[in-house]
Amino acid sequence: SQQGEEDPQALSIQEGENATMNCSYKTSINNLQWYRQNSGRGLVHLILIRSNEREKHSGRLRVTLDTSKKSSSLLITASRAADTASYFCAGGKDTGRRALTFGSGTRLQVQP
Amino acid sequence: IAGITQAPTSQILAAGRRMTLRCTQDMRHNAMYWYRQDLGLGLRLIHYSNTAGTTGKGEVPDGYSVSRANTDDFPLTLASAVPSQTSVYFCASSPGGNTDTQYFGPGTRLTVL
Repeated sequence: SQQGEEDPQALSIQEGENATMNCSYKTSINNLQWYRQNSGRGLVHLILIRSNEREKHSGRLRVTLDTSKKSSSLLITASRAADTASYFCAGGKDTGRRALTFGSGTRLQVQP
Repeated sequence: IAGITQAPTSQILAAGRRMTLRCTQDMRHNAMYWYRQDLGLGLRLIHYSNTAGTTGKGEVPDGYSVSRANTDDFPLTLASAVPSQTSVYFCASSPGGNTDTQYFGPGTRLTVL
């Protein structure tokens, strides 16, 4: 079963607009990570937010985490055509099965 | 520095055949992972290794085996391939512990006929 579920499954926006993707997870986590995957490629880490953090920024990326609602959001500001990719959230834990559990991803299409 | 490499890039395999997917990292990471990615299902963990000499089962381990004889290599073996194992397989590594950032290989596209 998936730990994270992204919403929406697909998103199409115009270049320059902001893109917001949401992630919900089921069990407790120590951190929530977001990854990007270009078509036919491996995943690339974007940003990690720990369970004791509520918001984190990295360049045009802004991530929030609400542990009470078991949800996270990824905001990409001023999107570019090169941001077109699939985005995955993944929950990390320190105990139990020691690996990330990924959601099914959001496919983002940025129209030039 | 290559990072993490996988071989082969793609493979078509007859059902019942044995196949080993190779994964090598040069970052001296302690932990390594194998995932499979199927359309609409995201990535699912097959097996993992927290350190050389140890391995563990993930979410979907049946039909797969792994070994971790040294830090750098983490091969995934399909003893007798079945069509349901058609997927894209990704190897990943992290410096240590499950909460670290994971670094992914380019993937192996496997088709079992």
